[in-house]
Amino acid sequence: QVHLQESGPGLMKPSETLSLTCSVSGYSIRSGYYWGWMRQSPGKGLQWIGSIYRSGGTLYNPSLESRVTISVDMSKNQISLSLRSVTAADTAVYYCTRHRSWGAGDYFDPWGQGSLVTVSS
Amino acid sequence: QSVLTQPPSVSGAPGQRVTISCTGNTSNIGAGFDVHWYVQLPGTAPKLLIYGNNNRPSGVPDRFSGSKSATSASLAITGLQAEDEAYYYCQSYDSSLVGSVFGGGTKLTVL
Repeated sequence: QVHLQESGPGLMKPSETLSLTCSVSGYSIRSGYYWGWMRQSPGKGLQWIGSIYRSGGTLYNPSLESRVTISVDMSKNQISLSLRSVTAADTAVYYCTRHRSWGAGDYFDPWGQGSLVTVSS
Repeated sequence: QSVLTQPPSVSGAPGQRVTISCTGNTSNIGAGFDVHWYVQLPGTAPKLLIYGNNNRPSGVPDRFSGSKSATSASLAITGLQAEDEAYYYCQSYDSSLVGSVFGGGTKLTVL
């Protein structure tokens, strides 16, 4: 059974760079699938941030693309998210998820438990 | 505010049938992209409930079903149970926004 576990800083200050790591167990990232990041905030609901394939190929939400980098470390079976120049609007629960390809539009399963990130001065 | 529109809340008594709508446009649902549904209990992560409009992952009871027509989709829950009380979200792909998009979520209350 695939299990995803996020880890992150918890509290951050504006203008800093958010770094989150997702550890995958029960499945080798090397075997396939895209792996992605989501976030959920009271103001904006659920938002797809981006996804990465084992080859390093990435897909990003155009609204965040200028500030986001997603990377993969297959030796550790982990994916990472970097979000630059954070503001209070980036306060959210960040989820790691497996991005499942489907004929007419992808879906996300499973999801990690989430990591709350609060941006405050 | 969300690309896909859902009612903020629905309710029903135990045993009843409820439906949750998800309305999009010609860039997402109306463009032929499939709709997927997730359920979220307070304090937990979303969990896949329906994929590809009307497919249930293993372990999801057949009380849950999905449908899609034109620019909208619906989630139906029959034989409502107390444990169905949760938030429900729809998701699809949007060709204009070039990415996956979600509905704002619907809180289901079991009376």
